[in-house]
Amino acid sequence: SQQGEEDPQALSIQEGENATMNCSYKTSINNLQWYRQNSGRGLVHLILIRSNEREKHSGRLRVTLDTSKKSSSLLITASRAADTASYFCATDRGGGATNKLIFGTGTLLAVQP
Amino acid sequence: EAGVAQSPRYKIIEKRQSVAFWCNPISGHATLYWYQQILGQGPKLLIQFQNNGVVDDSQLPKDRFSAERLKGVDSTLKIQPAKLEDSAVYLCASSLLGMGEKLFFGSGTQLSVL
Repeated sequence: SQQGEEDPQALSIQEGENATMNCSYKTSINNLQWYRQNSGRGLVHLILIRSNEREKHSGRLRVTLDTSKKSSSLLITASRAADTASYFCATDRGGGATNKLIFGTGTLLAVQP
Repeated sequence: EAGVAQSPRYKIIEKRQSVAFWCNPISGHATLYWYQQILGQGPKLLIQFQNNGVVDDSQLPKDRFSAERLKGVDSTLKIQPAKLEDSAVYLCASSLLGMGEKLFFGSGTQLSVL
């Protein structure tokens, strides 16, 4: 079963604009992770945010986590054509003792040059 | 550092045939995962190994799917017999300890069942 639901399902923006993707989940989590998948390739880890963290940055990426609302957002600033990919959130319900990653349905981002 | 290796890259078979996928995780990674990704969906966990023991296989259709991880290193996933609905990308991933950390994915095997 899918734990996370990403919103929107698809997003098209112009190069240089910011892209925001949201993820909602249903149960308590240990951490939440975001992955990128280019067409025909495997997933690449972007960022991990733990349940006791509220915001995290990595380069042009900013992730927020609101455990009270069971939601997270991924912001990509100053987007580039190379950012075109599918983005997935994954919630870890393993309690820290073991990974139990459940992936969402994904957001397809298209960055127009 | 070498990544997660998977083979074959593509496989086309007819329904009721058998197929096997191979995965070699990153050296030293204790945890290995097999995910199934149907077109347009997120990856779904099929089975998770910690070393050579199974941690979670609750979503593995055990009447037709089997997986093993001999010696706690590489792994094979088998489907026998295949159904049309098994058409998907099969992704292998590994992580160092399997405790609240990131996963490293291979490029996947794209399976088409005709």
